[in-house]
Amino acid sequence: EIVMTQSPATLSVSPGERATLSCRASQSVSTYLAWYQHKPGQAPRLLIYGASTRATGIPARFSGSGSGTEFTLTISSLQSEDFALYYCQQFNNWPLTFGGGTKVEIK
Amino acid sequence: QVQLVESGEGVVQPGGSLRLSCAASGFTFSSYGIHWVRQAPGKGLEWVAFIPYGGNNEYYADSVKGRFTISRDNSKNTLYLQMSSLRAEDTAVYYCAKDAHPYGSGTQYFDYWGQGTLVTVSS
Repeated sequence: EIVMTQSPATLSVSPGERATLSCRASQSVSTYLAWYQHKPGQAPRLLIYGASTRATGIPARFSGSGSGTEFTLTISSLQSEDFALYYCQQFNNWPLTFGGGTKVEIK
Repeated sequence: QVQLVESGEGVVQPGGSLRLSCAASGFTFSSYGIHWVRQAPGKGLEWVAFIPYGGNNEYYADSVKGRFTISRDNSKNTLYLQMSSLRAEDTAVYYCAKDAHPYGSGTQYFDYWGQGTLVTVSS
């Protein structure tokens, strides 16, 4: 099983600042990586797939990069609605696996 | 618009059984693989099971293999998860989630999710 490790567990950021979230895979997943945003009581929302392609309707302030084992999700200027949990997920191998999540909170 | 609506929420004793359903609308259900993903209280997301568009060749997480069965009825646009031999660690919100691409294209990430249904395993 591919283990996905996200860091940091919690990121405290002021509105308008940049947030950089990391995701590491225990073995290469090429670019078969997705990022999701999850708010309490809501359905998770797809942000990025293929490591760097924004999903439909996702604002340009969200960007993804990386390949192999190291990936980054960047939110260029945090808006109030961006404070949430973020998960990476690999789809290179079964079983599909998620990272433990990064909580982006207001500083 | 795409909708996935889970049902079957309940409290069940350890060792018991429960069946979850996921009613789909707004897309050609029979063309897409569908997954179950869960979130235990205070924990992250955990993928549980997958069924391809045609209903054969399911995949399961090791934690549920042999206890859970995923199935679908394409005539009813409905996904199911039959859960048996339930354990306390199966307590979670269960989401159904749709593959982003049709016909088993090998890219299993999820473009739409339901709101989830809560399963509590407790004596």
